[in-house]
Amino acid sequence: GNSVTQMEGPVTLSEEAFLTINCTYTATGYPSLFWYVQYPGEGLQLLLKATKADDKGSNKGFEATYRKETTSFHLEKGSVQVSDSAVYFCALYSGAGSYQLTFGKGTKLSVIP
Amino acid sequence: DAGVTQSPTHLIKTRGQQVTLRCSPKSGHDTVSWYQQALGQGPQFIFQYYEEEERQRGNFPDRFSGHQFPNYSSELNVNALLLGDSALYLCASSPIDRGSYGYTFGSGTRLTVV
Repeated sequence: GNSVTQMEGPVTLSEEAFLTINCTYTATGYPSLFWYVQYPGEGLQLLLKATKADDKGSNKGFEATYRKETTSFHLEKGSVQVSDSAVYFCALYSGAGSYQLTFGKGTKLSVIP
Repeated sequence: DAGVTQSPTHLIKTRGQQVTLRCSPKSGHDTVSWYQQALGQGPQFIFQYYEEEERQRGNFPDRFSGHQFPNYSSELNVNALLLGDSALYLCASSPIDRGSYGYTFGSGTRLTVV
């Protein structure tokens, strides 16, 4: 079956540091890949997506590239801000008769001034 | 344009009781999915509704049931509540067959079973 593995947190960074959150997946076919963000006490917001191999999703300074050869979709940001403190979830959608999102366990990011 | 709206935002129930959670999808969306997010975990898929029928179901017992109305809104019902049902319940919507472009999530209903 489908699965997503994220690096375990929590991750604590100083403001303006470089961020990488690793994500690898197992899926049949050619899934779409997503990063969702959850701020304290809120639901999930779609941060970025990629629908095919070698696509780069980007939004609000965050980027992730769909690497089929390594089955990875690592999230990066060059300079984090305190406002980026949240929980980040990697997820996949495989389609082909499966309509669910499969999520990783989440990585909590705390950015300190 | 309103996104996905869920009600209530918080709920406290006693073990053994029944609960109903409600969701209105984003305008233009006709599929509704429900997810359970336990504390510190990623969301787990419960089921998806389309055209008022359950389209796909995750690994949840029959105590979890749902309904979709002609206006695309949806309800999640949980019977015989257990302490382990305490979680954040998230509703997500999308246009049919556009799941590969991502789902829009609501803010969730926090259910506490005591």
